[in-house]
Amino acid sequence: DVQLLESGGGLVQPGGSLRLSCAASGFTFSDYAMAWVRQAPGKGLEWVSVISSSSGATHYGDTVKGRLTISRDNTRNKVDLQMNGLRAEDTAVYYCARLSRVYGIAPLGRYMDVWGKGATVIVSS
Amino acid sequence: EVVMTQSPATLSVSPGERATLSCRASQSVSISLAWYQQKPGQAPRLLIYDVSTRATGIPARFSGSGSGTEFTLTISSLQSEDVAVYYCQQYNNWPPVTFGGGTKVEIK
Repeated sequence: DVQLLESGGGLVQPGGSLRLSCAASGFTFSDYAMAWVRQAPGKGLEWVSVISSSSGATHYGDTVKGRLTISRDNTRNKVDLQMNGLRAEDTAVYYCARLSRVYGIAPLGRYMDVWGKGATVIVSS
Repeated sequence: EVVMTQSPATLSVSPGERATLSCRASQSVSISLAWYQQKPGQAPRLLIYDVSTRATGIPARFSGSGSGTEFTLTISSLQSEDVAVYYCQQYNNWPPVTFGGGTKVEIK
């Protein structure tokens, strides 16, 4: 079974840091670009960040640029999101997602074909 | 950034009836348009990609159409298990890929 499992969520004070991790299984992880998408309470989906299959390229949404860092370890089949300088507006469920491939390649501008169950991050004093 | 606008915000449909959801892009996204279903308390699930291709395991009652800036998701005969929020997403002009605000489908 193809699976993504997030961990590392929790309660953190404003200005604090948290590291989310996503463990992948059931597919050749190094063949796929990966993304993080978040959902604030009662709100819609917001694309946060994406990383290429080889870690050679990363992109971030404007609201998180400079504070969040995406990385991956293809030897351990995991992708991480380091979150620094957290704000109340970062409170959300963070989903790890796999980006689809096309014609044997893994471009970054794609739809997400597999999603994890999500990790909850609450930023509050 | 391409803005995706979904309508209506909420759609009430009787069981067995057709549900039609709309998604509009602020500029052309060609056929790079996906739809996701999110049931209460669950992660999003891919329904349709490239405007009209159903993802693996998605029932045939779900269909997508459109091109350019206007897109439609149709549920031909609404079932109780289809109660969810549906999101469209464009992946033609990025970064960032962008999502619509969602349409909540409920049973009348």
